[in-house]
Amino acid sequence: KAGVTQTPRYLIKTRGQQVTLSCSPISGHRSVSWYQQTPGQGLQFLFEYFSETQRNKGNFPGRFSGRQFSNSRSEMNVSTLELGDSALYLCASSQQGASYEQYFGPGTRLTVT
Amino acid sequence: DQQVKQNSPSLSVQEGRISILNCDYTNSMFDYFLWYKKYPAEGPTFLISISSIKDKNEDGRFTVFLNKSAKHLSLHIVPSQPGDSAVYFCAPKEGSTLGRLYFGRGTQLTVWP
Repeated sequence: KAGVTQTPRYLIKTRGQQVTLSCSPISGHRSVSWYQQTPGQGLQFLFEYFSETQRNKGNFPGRFSGRQFSNSRSEMNVSTLELGDSALYLCASSQQGASYEQYFGPGTRLTVT
Repeated sequence: DQQVKQNSPSLSVQEGRISILNCDYTNSMFDYFLWYKKYPAEGPTFLISISSIKDKNEDGRFTVFLNKSAKHLSLHIVPSQPGDSAVYFCAPKEGSTLGRLYFGRGTQLTVWP
């Protein structure tokens, strides 16, 4: 089985721009979660999607949004980029249910200049 | 608020010895606990998990112990190998919030020959 894939792997953007990151979950996994990793804050939860619905959202401003498609693929969007948005953005997929483990993709390294 | 604490930022162990990584939490609603291993610029890799109804789970060289009354869990690696050198994250979840993982800040394990 192929793992979680994320595109692009690296991205450089300028302040004020917007960016869209993509995540393809493991085949058969219907839940997709997004996390942000920074040196200062560690790994922080952004949001979770299941069956095209956002089920949970972390404490991030409205500039961060996401969606999930009918094939379970997910995208996240960050608008009006700030320098502090520079981070590793990780996507994780899991089967339905609280006891299922989450499997992470390699991440997208976003640098905002 | 830090609901998950890994108080040792780093741990250095000789090859062949036991590595013990600790994690404390404050949220009584956590009922499933996962450990992840992470190399730089990669996504976390799932290692082992434990449900709150158990106090021990073993998988090869990895054993996780859970003490619910103390809100403490630990990951034991025996014997430690140089390839185990990585950052280890404790990541519990609440059953009610399904996908959301709450990550500790991680412990950098270095296994030297």
